[in-house]
Amino acid sequence: TQLLEQSPQFLSIQEGENLTVYCNSSSVFSSLQWYRQEPGEGPVLLVTVVTGGEVKKLKRLTFQFGDARKDSSLHITAAQPGDTGLYLCAGNINTNAGKSTFGDGTTLTVKP
Amino acid sequence: GAGVSQSPSNKVTEKGKDVELRCDPISGHTALYWYRQSLGQGLEFLIYFQGNSAPDKSGLPSDRFSAERTGGSVSTLTIQRTQQEDSAVYLCASSFDSGGADTQYFGPGTRLTVL
Repeated sequence: TQLLEQSPQFLSIQEGENLTVYCNSSSVFSSLQWYRQEPGEGPVLLVTVVTGGEVKKLKRLTFQFGDARKDSSLHITAAQPGDTGLYLCAGNINTNAGKSTFGDGTTLTVKP
Repeated sequence: GAGVSQSPSNKVTEKGKDVELRCDPISGHTALYWYRQSLGQGLEFLIYFQGNSAPDKSGLPSDRFSAERTGGSVSTLTIQRTQQEDSAVYLCASSFDSGGADTQYFGPGTRLTVL
């Protein structure tokens, strides 16, 4: 059983479109991270959310942590080809535990 | 400054052989993690080291897998008697502390192919 479910698994859109990807769980997380990974490289952290209901913005990316801290979403406005990559969410259940649980990711392709 | 480095970047081996994968974390980072990633998928946690504490080995898939961290810095992941299902990208990450929300910095990974 996957602790973190990400959807959609694959997403292919045209440049300029908006999109939202989701990360859902039945577990409560003390913190949740979003990463982007490009081929041949390791994941790079985009944001960490820790407070239920928290919204963070990073340029055209908006991240939201659910009120119950069980789910999160990533919204990209006016997607660009440079946004192409694998988007991974990861959560920590225990505040003092270093081990993160990763979802299977959403593969995003933005066509010019 | 230097990021997390891993070597080799690619490793091709024959079934049944042993392999060693190396990770050099960012200097000063006390926490070190190993993950495994199949093509286009998420990361599977393998093992986690934090300072001088006993490592969390709960993610190691079998007793053929082991890892060491010498002197609180460099780590080696060893896979004995490799099997074809061991083929994957092995990623290492380090962080300053293990406080849950700490940023993990990832290396580029080692792509292991078992023939």
